[in-house]
Amino acid sequence: DTEVTQTPKHLVMGMTNKKSLKCEQHMGHRAMYWYKQKAKKPPELMFVYSYEKLSINESVPSRFSPECPNSSLLNLHLHALQPEDSALYLCASSQGTAANYGYTFGSGTRLTVV
Amino acid sequence: AQSVTQLGSHVSVSEGALVLLRCNYSSSVPPYLFWYVQYPNQGLQLLLKYTSAATLVKGINGFEAEFKKSETSFHLTKPSAHMSDAAEYFCAVSEKGGSQGNLIFGKGTKLSVKP
Repeated sequence: DTEVTQTPKHLVMGMTNKKSLKCEQHMGHRAMYWYKQKAKKPPELMFVYSYEKLSINESVPSRFSPECPNSSLLNLHLHALQPEDSALYLCASSQGTAANYGYTFGSGTRLTVV
Repeated sequence: AQSVTQLGSHVSVSEGALVLLRCNYSSSVPPYLFWYVQYPNQGLQLLLKYTSAATLVKGINGFEAEFKKSETSFHLTKPSAHMSDAAEYFCAVSEKGGSQGNLIFGKGTKLSVKP
């Protein structure tokens, strides 16, 4: 298995809703990442997990809450989002956090906040 | 601070023509360099990476890139474009010995392929 699987593929939520994005990989990768990508822009790093521990939070608002229940799963819990949070949310994984590892990306969750 | 610059937000070529997508990096030390491709409504896929072994790096789908320290460049090429190559291409850099998660992306170049 050489994939990162993200669910759901599309999500529409209201500003008062609570929802979660899920990411799963079975490649034995020990680093997992959440990125946010706005239209026609490059991905922007949100969170890094290394060996299931949060190691980087790029000043992301608290309405985004990551969770890494085990080495294969990464969740992003969403609460009280704003319309400007609408974007493609990408999960990625890598063997480790050393700088020379390439990332494997999932196909993303297209989030629309109404 | 390290960064990458992709010259040309949009490149258009004819099918069968040479593809050249430009990437220049700015770093105090030679970094690790990556090219990713993103097809519409998809995630990013790693095309190739430079990690200080051979300066000419071959990747998937017939793409290759050459690391040129003197020019601080890592341009992506393909001898003959296919319609299926139409996508967004991102150059990215990470610094040797740098902190984790510091993969910095360029702004991207959209490649169009005309029949």
